[in-house]
Amino acid sequence: AQSVTQLDSQVPVFEEAPVELRCNYSSSVSVYLFWYVQYPNQGLQLLLKYLSGSTLVKGINGFEAEFNKSQTSFHLRKPSVHISDTAEYFCAVSLRQSGNTPLVFGKGTRLSVIA
Amino acid sequence: SQTIHQWPATLVQPVGSPLSLECTVEGTSNPNLYWYRQAAGRGLQLLFYSVGIGQISSEVPQNLSASRPQDRQFILSSKKLLLSDSGFYLCAWRSRTGPNEQFFGPGTRLTVL
Repeated sequence: AQSVTQLDSQVPVFEEAPVELRCNYSSSVSVYLFWYVQYPNQGLQLLLKYLSGSTLVKGINGFEAEFNKSQTSFHLRKPSVHISDTAEYFCAVSLRQSGNTPLVFGKGTRLSVIA
Repeated sequence: SQTIHQWPATLVQPVGSPLSLECTVEGTSNPNLYWYRQAAGRGLQLLFYSVGIGQISSEVPQNLSASRPQDRQFILSSKKLLLSDSGFYLCAWRSRTGPNEQFFGPGTRLTVL
């Protein structure tokens, strides 16, 4: 079975500084990878996804992530954060031949942007 | 385009009362449907998922149940709420085809007193 580890539960960062949110996964077969963002009292919104092809994936709001198969990682980055990026971020994985099985989510990383 | 609705948005219920949360999806057919719960300070916990009308898979044995009476309707219920049922409940759907990308509703905040 696959699993997802988000190494940091909380990440404080100053406005306009760069940020990296770490995600590692475990799976014996090929996977799809996702990052979601959740603003307070809202549902989850897809930031970006890796399906195949280029390992550098660009998403909404200036975020990007890089798939590293050898390190089984899919870290999320943004070169300059804004106050509005304060939210919870979830990494998720699914098998390429997933059938009907649900996504497997990490426990989330709370990003706090400080003015 | 597809949209997903949940209601109510917020709910305050006494311990021992029943519960019914509703989720509906528009703009797609035969979706897979999911119920998640977020307790305070915790991540997402998958409660139930459904691949078709009347087909429910339970991930965590507990005080809740789910039903899917129509293709695009997913209901979360309880006969008697517990304090521990408090949390933020999220419904999600995905297409049967494609890379398993899930789309989430706006959520229901449930407080059991």
